[in-house]
Amino acid sequence: AQSVAQPEDQVNVAEGNPLTVKCTYSVSGNPYLFWYVQYPNRGLQFLLKYITGDNLVKGSYGFEAEFNKSQTSFHLKKPSALVSDSALYFCAVRTMYSGGGADGLTFGKGTHLIIQP
Amino acid sequence: NAGVTQTPKFQVLKTGQSMTLQCAQDMNHEYMSWYRQDPGMGLRLIHYSVGAGITDQGEVPNGYNVSRSTTEDFPLRLLSAAPSQTSVYFCASSYSIEDQETQYFGPGTRLLVL
Repeated sequence: AQSVAQPEDQVNVAEGNPLTVKCTYSVSGNPYLFWYVQYPNRGLQFLLKYITGDNLVKGSYGFEAEFNKSQTSFHLKKPSALVSDSALYFCAVRTMYSGGGADGLTFGKGTHLIIQP
Repeated sequence: NAGVTQTPKFQVLKTGQSMTLQCAQDMNHEYMSWYRQDPGMGLRLIHYSVGAGITDQGEVPNGYNVSRSTTEDFPLRLLSAAPSQTSVYFCASSYSIEDQETQYFGPGTRLLVL
């Protein structure tokens, strides 16, 4: 079964410092990987995706993610953190469900990112 | 565009009661889905639909029913609520199942089952 793991419940970073939010995946075949952000009392917002091509993917709000096939990782990064980046971040992978021929998304448990002024 | 709207925002039910969570979108999206979000577990797909009249099960469909009679609406029904269904429910939509990673999420419905 496809799955993603986010090993950190919370990441604390000082404003202006680089940030990394970790994600590892387990899939059969080529992975379709995604990052989402959730602000308090809001639904998820799509940040970026990796389907194929360059291992460094750029997304919204200055975020980027690095796909590493040998380490089965897809870490989210940003060179300089802002206080407004504080939110809950989810990694996800495209998944085939047994209920039908189509597919959905499997999410990690989420990582709270806290940017300290 | 109102985007994806969900009602109610918050609901308290007693065990065994039934209710319908409403979801509507005004973007003419074909793909709609329902997720539940529980602490420490991320989002899990309950049911999804690739168009009017077509629905299918996701990862955790038991205890929930859906229907898609129009493109705009995708209600989620709890036939007999259980405390294990206490959660935050999100509806989402996208142009097609191929675009689902960029789907728009509604604001969520918080459900408490006593």
